[in-house]
Amino acid sequence: QSVLTQPPSVSGAPGQTVTISCTGSNSNIGARYFVHWYQQLPGTAPKLLIYSDANRPSGVPDRFSGSEPGTSASLAITGLQAEDEGHYYCLSFDSNLPGFVFGTGTKVTVL
Amino acid sequence: QVQLVQSGAEVKKPGASVKVSCISSGFTFATYDHAWVRQAPGQGLEYMGRVSPYSGYTNYAQKVQGRVTVTTDTSTNTVYMELSSLRFDDTAVYYCARVGRDDYMDVWGQGTTVTVSS
Repeated sequence: QSVLTQPPSVSGAPGQTVTISCTGSNSNIGARYFVHWYQQLPGTAPKLLIYSDANRPSGVPDRFSGSEPGTSASLAITGLQAEDEGHYYCLSFDSNLPGFVFGTGTKVTVL
Repeated sequence: QVQLVQSGAEVKKPGASVKVSCISSGFTFATYDHAWVRQAPGQGLEYMGRVSPYSGYTNYAQKVQGRVTVTTDTSTNTVYMELSSLRFDDTAVYYCARVGRDDYMDVWGQGTTVTVSS
């Protein structure tokens, strides 16, 4: 069982904005460990989308943005496009384990 | 370019062991930790373990602790993940990943499918 909870699915029409939450606790996100976000398209390896809460690697469109308030982090996708369909995961560190922990994953559907 | 290339698919029987390799290129191997992540069919990502090629430090997920061993060979820039006492629910795609400065996995291998079947 993951200690980082995400909504199972979110959806939106092309051009709309969707937000994915990643809810943790005081032993991970609340303890100020960084949150990172990944996009996984069908049949491919995960791709780093956001690192260290709110930074985009080179080549990632600025439609993707990350934020981290309190014990929850969030990923926003603005101007949703058909190519954004896939699964999205958050990643952080948990001091109780101790070790990396992934979120439960969210499927994004473009209507 | 920076890349991680993993070994090919494996089919194993329950109780056997499997060893998956991951060859790194395009960066200084010893200066980056490497991690292993798996994904069972239709499921999410699961962290398995981590190793520092520089210090030999390892960290393993509680779920697989005692069955998983992650090692490195700095002469060939290779990371290995060995999983023993295989069970049917170990069937998954196994990924290696490079771990960046702030503990993010920034470069991923292509994945290795391990099937446990009798």
